[in-house]
Amino acid sequence: DGGITQSPKYLFRKEGQNVTLSCEQNLNHDAMYWYRQDPGQGLRLIYYSQIVNDFQKGDIAEGYSVSREKKESFPLTVTSAQKNPTAFYLCASSIQASGRYEQYFGPGTRLTVT
Amino acid sequence: AQRVTQPEKLLSVFKGAPVELKCNYSYSGSPELFWYVQYSRQRLQLLLRHISRESIKGFTADLNKGETSFHLKKPFAQEEDSAMYYCALGSGNTGKLIFGQGTTLQVKP
Repeated sequence: DGGITQSPKYLFRKEGQNVTLSCEQNLNHDAMYWYRQDPGQGLRLIYYSQIVNDFQKGDIAEGYSVSREKKESFPLTVTSAQKNPTAFYLCASSIQASGRYEQYFGPGTRLTVT
Repeated sequence: AQRVTQPEKLLSVFKGAPVELKCNYSYSGSPELFWYVQYSRQRLQLLLRHISRESIKGFTADLNKGETSFHLKKPFAQEEDSAMYYCALGSGNTGKLIFGQGTTLQVKP
């Protein structure tokens, strides 16, 4: 079940620490996305990247940062500035950055900050 | 503003009963609409999209621009349909998806 992978599955951190979530895809997709999933709130877009070396803020980018140095990889860093970082994080990719295309999702990383 | 609303948090039906999961959207242009599904312990995956007008696992969804709705329907629910369903709106040239809050469908035996 390759395609798009996220690691680790569970992550625990102390408050005040930055943490980086990994997202890799072997689908040769141009576009990649990070979402946050909270109960009762659906999925909210954190950052997205339409092409290598370019990315844009989504709806809830504050306290997060990303990089897109390689087509296959789109890591997300949750910084200490994120006020409520405990959540389930989903990475996705699509063949192109167009609203017409299906997004393929990873299995997610559950981050717990105490 | 672009918005997707799924008014029901939980929908519980008996096996064999018809199912309708509601989705309303707000979008000024020509919408691209999707239904995604998340089964227990599986990743989120596409169920169907309005542009292909297909039926997947017996589910259909018709885009009603007048009512700005994209409700998901199935005439006879099965237990394996129990899952979380998300309606999503595709945004222009960015590929951004705007998701509704999700509806948990529970099909009882």
